[in-house]
Formats: sequence, C-alpha cells, structure tokens
Amino acid sequence: QVQLQESGPGLVKPSRTLSLTCTVSGGSINSGDYYWSWIRQPAGKGLEWIGRIYFTGSTESNPSLESRVSMSVDASKNQFSLKLNSVTAADTAVYYCAGFRGVLTATAFVLFFDLWGRGTLVTVSS
Amino acid sequence: DIQMTQSPSSLSASVGDRVSITCRASQSISNYLNWYQQKPGKAPNVLIYAASSLQSGVPSRFSGSGSGTDFTLTITSLQPEDFATYYCQQSHTTPPTFGGGTRVDVK
Repeated sequence: QVQLQESGPGLVKPSRTLSLTCTVSGGSINSGDYYWSWIRQPAGKGLEWIGRIYFTGSTESNPSLESRVSMSVDASKNQFSLKLNSVTAADTAVYYCAGFRGVLTATAFVLFFDLWGRGTLVTVSS
Repeated sequence: DIQMTQSPSSLSASVGDRVSITCRASQSISNYLNWYQQKPGKAPNVLIYAASSLQSGVPSRFSGSGSGTDFTLTITSLQPEDFATYYCQQSHTTPPTFGGGTRVDVK
C-alpha cells in the first residue's frame, strides 16, 4: 500500500523560501500511476491545489502561485519536493502531498486525489 | 478557474438521518466531480469519484449523482463516524478546484 509522508521546517520567516519533501513508501514514484501533487489548507479554511509533478519531471502549477512555485522529483530517494519562495503570512497552512490518479470510466478518464500524506503545518512568521 | 459552490456550508443532523449536500460548478464539468470527507486534524479521503462511482472501501450509504453543473452527495443513514466536513472537487480543468466545504455536525 502506497503511503506518503511530508517533511520540512514548520516555521519559515517572511520573504524566505518554504521547502517541503514528500517521501513515497510502498511503491515507486516512477510507476506512472500518479501525478504527485501539493495541496494546502489554511486553518479553518478550504483546500487549495498548489501544483503537480509527474515522474518524468513535467510540472503544472496553480496560476495563482505559479511565479513562486517550483517542484522536483528525486527518484533515487523516492521523493518529490516543493519550494515556495517569497512567503508571507498568507502562506501559513497545513501542506499536504497527494497522489492524483486517473480512472477510466464508461465516459471519461477522471482524475482524483487518491493518496494523501498526513499533512504538515508550516507557519510563516518572524 | 472553475468555481465550486457547496451548500449548505454547515448542517446539523442526527444519527440515522438522510443527508444531502449539493455542489454547483461555475461551468459544465460533465462528470469530472469528486467528493471527499475530512475529519479534524486528518487529511481528506475520497468517497466518490466521477460524480457517482463509489471508491473502494467506502460504505454504500454514500452515493453521488449529477452531471454538468449540479451535483449531490447523499448519505442515506448518517452514522456517528460520518460527522465531518465534506468537499467537492472538479478535475475537468486545471487547476483542480474544491468547494468551500460542508460541515456536518450533531444536532
């Protein structure tokens, strides 16, 4: 059973770079079964998709964050990573790594978030 | 971005009640609609994908319906473990977007 676990600093100073890593266990990051994704959730609020990376290294980001986001895959460690630069207090949230998987139905190929890490709280404060 | 609007934002119900939550997309998304359950301090968990397909391991009291712009999640007989927040999410267009959530609590 594939599992995900986020790791990284819980406190980041304003204007600095937030860096998180997600370790994939129980399966290979190169399987091609998932788009590896990042999602965040400010306290008491809803979910915001940050971006995703495929095992090939191709990425796609939320246009609202695109200029500040970079993602990478390290297949040798079975990990993928997120960097968000120039952070402010508005970036304080629980950050989840997730696996976005597609299923072929009778009418469409539908993607959904099938795997989730436990989440890690990142606070932006001086 | 496609905006997803859920209603109600919260509801109070009792064990055994039938509960329905609606989700409306700002444009047609066919059946590219998923439902998640989130409990406090936990990650979301997919219940329904492709509008009406039950994820493996999810109890059959959960069902989804709809197509186009209007969707419904129904819980036929609410159980104690179902008190949680529910989110819809569209995967028709990037970026994938979520509804604002519906909190189901004890009446």
